[in-house]
Amino acid sequence: DAGVIQSPRHEVTEMGQEVTLRCKPISGHNSLFWYRQTMMRGLELLIYFNNNVPIDDSGMPEDRFSAKMPNASFSTLKIQPSEPRDSAVYFCASTGGAAGAIDEGLFFGSGTQLSVL
Amino acid sequence: AQSVTQPDIHITVSEGASLELRCNYSYGATPYLFWYVQSPGQGLQLLLKYFSGDTLVQGIKGFEAEFKRSQSSFNLRKPSVHWSDAAEYFCAVGARNTDKLIFGTGTRLQVFP
Repeated sequence: DAGVIQSPRHEVTEMGQEVTLRCKPISGHNSLFWYRQTMMRGLELLIYFNNNVPIDDSGMPEDRFSAKMPNASFSTLKIQPSEPRDSAVYFCASTGGAAGAIDEGLFFGSGTQLSVL
Repeated sequence: AQSVTQPDIHITVSEGASLELRCNYSYGATPYLFWYVQSPGQGLQLLLKYFSGDTLVQGIKGFEAEFKRSQSSFNLRKPSVHWSDAAEYFCAVGARNTDKLIFGTGTRLQVFP
């Protein structure tokens, strides 16, 4: 299994530009999570999906952030417009626990390092 | 509300020495507990997990952790550290029948030869 695949690995953009981060979960997993990691705030859960449906987006910082999961094998996290304070590492994770995502733990991708200048 | 505390931001040990990383949690019921490791530039990898049963759980790479309900702790241990164990370690807590994991702030482990 290829694991959770994220693209791009690195993204450098200018303030005000639109940024789209992509994630392919592990095949067969039914829950997908987007996390953000910064030195100041650690790992923050932004949003998660179960069976392609957004379940909890309370961690999404602002309306500038949006996430979609059009099918079981693909998700995007979009920031529009981007700001310097959005600079962070963004992780996607998936899991396929039958009785709730917690059972098997989360499987993380390698992350996208975003720098907004 | 659930929370996780990792009191040690940075720990340095010599190769071959024993290791214990501390984790304390706050949760009203029996939590699901996890330890993850993150190498530089990589995502988080699951080391071990505790749901119920035996309070001493074994994980990958020679790590183990012990759940102590009376102390609300889930400390990670390894009897002999290898240089390749240098990384950041995260403790996480989750609730049964939910999909959320709450992560601690992490402990960075440095290993000297």
